[in-house]
Amino acid sequence: NAGVTQTPKFQVLKTGQSMTLQCAQDMNHEYMSWYRQDPGMGLRLIHYSVGAGITDQGEVPNGYNVSRSTTEDFPLRLLSAAPSQTSVYFCASSFDSSGANVLTFGAGSRLTVL
Amino acid sequence: EDQVTQSPEALRLQEGESSSLNCSYTVSGLRGLFWYRQDPGKGPEFLFTLYSAGEEKEKERLKATLTKKESFLHITAPKPEDSATYLCAVQAFQGGSEKLVFGKGTKLTVNP
Repeated sequence: NAGVTQTPKFQVLKTGQSMTLQCAQDMNHEYMSWYRQDPGMGLRLIHYSVGAGITDQGEVPNGYNVSRSTTEDFPLRLLSAAPSQTSVYFCASSFDSSGANVLTFGAGSRLTVL
Repeated sequence: EDQVTQSPEALRLQEGESSSLNCSYTVSGLRGLFWYRQDPGKGPEFLFTLYSAGEEKEKERLKATLTKKESFLHITAPKPEDSATYLCAVQAFQGGSEKLVFGKGTKLTVNP
């Protein structure tokens, strides 16, 4: 059981480039989300999805796009990378979004924007 | 304003030296309080969920407790392998929607 798989693990981009961080889960979880983690700050929610075809913005959505065409996959797109998007990105999923549900996290994707 | 505050930011212990980590929160409508462990270069890993004041949960050398304003993660006779960053997160129903707010974490180092 792989859980939540993120690729790539490391990426270096130049300002203005675009890229997609991939996230896949094999637990049949309805809820999927993307967080960023920066030094001295808590995990911050970027976008989330409560099911295939449904996405919504989190706390820090600007500069990012998401889509959810299948239950398993939830890619995060950076449209035009900026140095402020240098961070570690985590994809997380849970059974559903109601109540207090435990999140299963991926191993993270470290992005550096030059 | 910070809704979830963890203290201390960093804690160094000797092996076998018991201590506690604190997570204070100011949200109303608490749905659950979570503790996660994060090792360097990895994603957070779930430890406990607490739902109501007075609740306690234990796992090996860790015990989590919850009051109306804070939670403690007690570490008894820690070992070097307990070294990690411990994250607290609070889920609450506020403003008509569910919100999950993470604290900044406490970095624990246990020296042999």
